[in-house]
Amino acid sequence: AQSVAQPEDQVNVAEGNPLTVKCTYSVSGNPYLFWYVQYPNRGLQFLLKYITGDNLVKGSYGFEAEFNKSQTSFHLKKPSALVSDSALYFCAAMDSNFGNEKLTFGTGTRLTIIP
Amino acid sequence: DGGITQSPKYLFRKEGQNVTLSCEQNLNHDAMYWYRQDPGQGLRLIYYSQIVNDFQKGDIAEGYSVSREKKESFPLTVTSAQKNPTAFYLCASSKRGNRWDSPLHFGNGTRLTVT
Repeated sequence: AQSVAQPEDQVNVAEGNPLTVKCTYSVSGNPYLFWYVQYPNRGLQFLLKYITGDNLVKGSYGFEAEFNKSQTSFHLKKPSALVSDSALYFCAAMDSNFGNEKLTFGTGTRLTIIP
Repeated sequence: DGGITQSPKYLFRKEGQNVTLSCEQNLNHDAMYWYRQDPGQGLRLIYYSQIVNDFQKGDIAEGYSVSREKKESFPLTVTSAQKNPTAFYLCASSKRGNRWDSPLHFGNGTRLTVT
């Protein structure tokens, strides 16, 4: 069975510092990987995806993520954190042979940017 | 603006009552999904529909029912058979049911409390 792990429930970063939110995955075939962000009492918003090609993927709001096949990781990064980046972040993965109905979400990481 | 509308935002019900959550989209998306979000558990798929008049069970369908009579609408009924119905419910849609290039678009959720 496929799975997604976000090992940190909470990440605190000072404003202006680089941030990393970690994600590892397990899928049987080639992975399709996604990051979503959720603000309080709202739905999730799509940030970025990895399908194929360049291992460094750029997305919305200055975020990027690096796909590492050997470590089965897809960590979310941003060079300089903003207070407005504070939110709940979800990593998601699916096998490329299937569709969204087989998308597996991680348990989420709460990111807090400290002014 | 196109999007997904979930109503109501908050819903309170007594144990033993069925309740229906509304989800409407004007994105012209074929596929629609219902997820349940519980603290520390990520998102779990309840039901999904890839086309009008067809829907499939997700990972946690027991105690729930859906209908898809119109492309725009995908209501979820939480029945009295659902043992632990208090949760945050999210509706989502995507352009096609089986394509990676269609990230999920989410509504802002309905928070259901059953006492």
